[in-house]
Amino acid sequence: RKEVEQDPGPFNVPEGATVAFNCTYSNSASQSFFWYRQDCRKEPKLLMSVYSSGNEDGRFTAQLNRASQYISLLIRDSKLSDSATYLCVVNFDYKLSFGAGTTVTVRA
Amino acid sequence: NAGVTQTPKFRVLKTGQSMTLLCAQDMNHEYMYWYRQDPGMGLRLIHYSVGEGTTAKGEVPDGYNVSRLKKQNFLLGLESAAPSQTSVYFCASSLASLSTEAFFGQGTRLTVV
Repeated sequence: RKEVEQDPGPFNVPEGATVAFNCTYSNSASQSFFWYRQDCRKEPKLLMSVYSSGNEDGRFTAQLNRASQYISLLIRDSKLSDSATYLCVVNFDYKLSFGAGTTVTVRA
Repeated sequence: NAGVTQTPKFRVLKTGQSMTLLCAQDMNHEYMYWYRQDPGMGLRLIHYSVGEGTTAKGEVPDGYNVSRLKKQNFLLGLESAAPSQTSVYFCASSLASLSTEAFFGQGTRLTVV
């Protein structure tokens, strides 16, 4: 079983739509959680950290459910510039484990 | 404002050749990592280092060696390249904190023929 599993998508949504997707992780002792964004053939960059209480950063909302071991990301009012692959990342003992990514395409 | 710099950015090797990938960071980060990314598989950890002079194996260490003689540099070596090592390699660094962001280099695209 992979440590971090994501729905690969692709999610193809119109501008202004809301899109949401999850990932699950297998190690219940995981200590911190993140969403990274990766544009085609480029390096991953941090989108936001994920906290148990849930957190927002502009149009992005992340949730963590430790009991069920899943993390979610919701994007409101999608923009063309949100088209990317979103990587779910879990940290255990300073080792980051990455999901394979969820691809989102926002169309005009 | 360099951040994490990887050298080279592209390389083609013949099977059996050796090479070293260099990662340099100027943020005084303690931790450094080498990942490989293959289609549909996400990033997989090859080796990592929690400080100068220390290294540890990650998820897929076979066929690779690393060294961290200086805090700012983390080298990844391929002793005898194989076609299965064709991949995109990313180096990353971070502070010694569980909640901190990892910064990535721009990647090295390696093809082994």
